[in-house]
Amino acid sequence: EDKVVQSPLSLVVHEGDTVTLNCSYEVTNFRSLLWYKQEKKAPTFLFMLTSSGIEKKSGRLSSILDKKELFSILNITATQTGDSAIYLCAVLNNNDMRFGAGTRLTVKP
Amino acid sequence: DAGVTQSPTHLIKTRGQQVTLRCSPKSGHDTVSWYQQALGQGPQFIFQYYEEEERQRGNFPDRFSGHQFPNYSSELNVNALLLGDSALYLCASSLGAQPQHFGDGTRLSIL
Repeated sequence: EDKVVQSPLSLVVHEGDTVTLNCSYEVTNFRSLLWYKQEKKAPTFLFMLTSSGIEKKSGRLSSILDKKELFSILNITATQTGDSAIYLCAVLNNNDMRFGAGTRLTVKP
Repeated sequence: DAGVTQSPTHLIKTRGQQVTLRCSPKSGHDTVSWYQQALGQGPQFIFQYYEEEERQRGNFPDRFSGHQFPNYSSELNVNALLLGDSALYLCASSLGAQPQHFGDGTRLSIL
């Protein structure tokens, strides 16, 4: 059965810390892996990864995919309180997108 | 440029009732997907609509049905509501292989 597993489930850090969020998957007919940030309601798109080893960056956030080992990481450097949110990993499998349970990140001042 | 809009934002129903949730996709998008997100969990895929037809379906019973209209907007219908149907229902739209964009969801509470 297809599955997406995120770790840790929750994480508490202080402003300025660097965090690494993990996502492993077992999915047939893999097409791409996506990261979303969910604060209160709508998940907002962060990255879409389709090829191994190519890092995607956006400001303090970056992500990379390893299609051989079937995982991805999301890094956030110099964390800020505004980074507090649930970070969702999702794998697109043909027309079905399967989500992990998310990592709840809390950044304390 | 309006993003994905959903209505209503909140809804309270009782067991056995029926509900209809609505979604307007982001401008230029032609595909609509629906998800159920229970508290503390990631979104679970319900189904996807493209060209007014259900293209893919997740592991949800037939009580969950949908529709897509010629203007690409979509409805999610749930019959014979159960307590376990209480959740945030998210709609996402997309175009081709581009990432899905989500609406703010409808919070459904079943009493």
